[in-house]
Amino acid sequence: DTVLTQSPALAVSPGERVTISCRASESVSTGMHWYQQKPGQQPKLLIYGASNLESGVPARFSGSGSGTDFTLTIDPVEADDTATYFCQQSWNDPRTFGGGTKLELK
Amino acid sequence: QVQLQQSGAELAKPGSSVKISCKASGYTFTSYDISWIKQTTGQGLEYIGYINTGSGGTYYNEKFKGKATLTVDKSSSTAFMQLSSLTPEDTAVYYCARCDGGLFDYWGQGVMVTVSS
Repeated sequence: DTVLTQSPALAVSPGERVTISCRASESVSTGMHWYQQKPGQQPKLLIYGASNLESGVPARFSGSGSGTDFTLTIDPVEADDTATYFCQQSWNDPRTFGGGTKLELK
Repeated sequence: QVQLQQSGAELAKPGSSVKISCKASGYTFTSYDISWIKQTTGQGLEYIGYINTGSGGTYYNEKFKGKATLTVDKSSSTAFMQLSSLTPEDTAVYYCARCDGGLFDYWGQGVMVTVSS
């Protein structure tokens, strides 16, 4: 299975720029997607196809990368962005998720 | 608007089975697959598999073959997942999600399944 590796946690101040990384154990082309999950809620799709913003998601969120290295950027970070962010690949079967990066605001 | 409404929490005994549901609304049910995802604190998010809501065809992650059985009732726009031979390791939140080309664009609210004697 394709293993997706994310840093477990980040802490930033509101107004700053934050990048969350996801590294795949093998190429997933641009079949990478990002989700936001707040406590007690289901995940919400933010970015699909590595760099495409899902409808209704603020333009503060952006994604980049291809192959094995991907990044989710939030600029500027707002207090409401406190959540866990997951990457997910759809290029190889089975689909797999990263372990999640918990974003905390200082 | 697109909604996936899942059934309520389950408390089950080891060795038993549970069947949870996912009722879709707000779109043409048979135009999208429904996937199922397991979430635990320790293992994170794990992909169980999907069902083609038009044909009933299924795909299972090897890890969940024999554990999960996916079915669909097109007449009620509802997908089901049965989990069998339950063990404490099956304790988790289970989500259904609408699948669009490999990504999950809408998720149900999740069902907590607790396996305990």
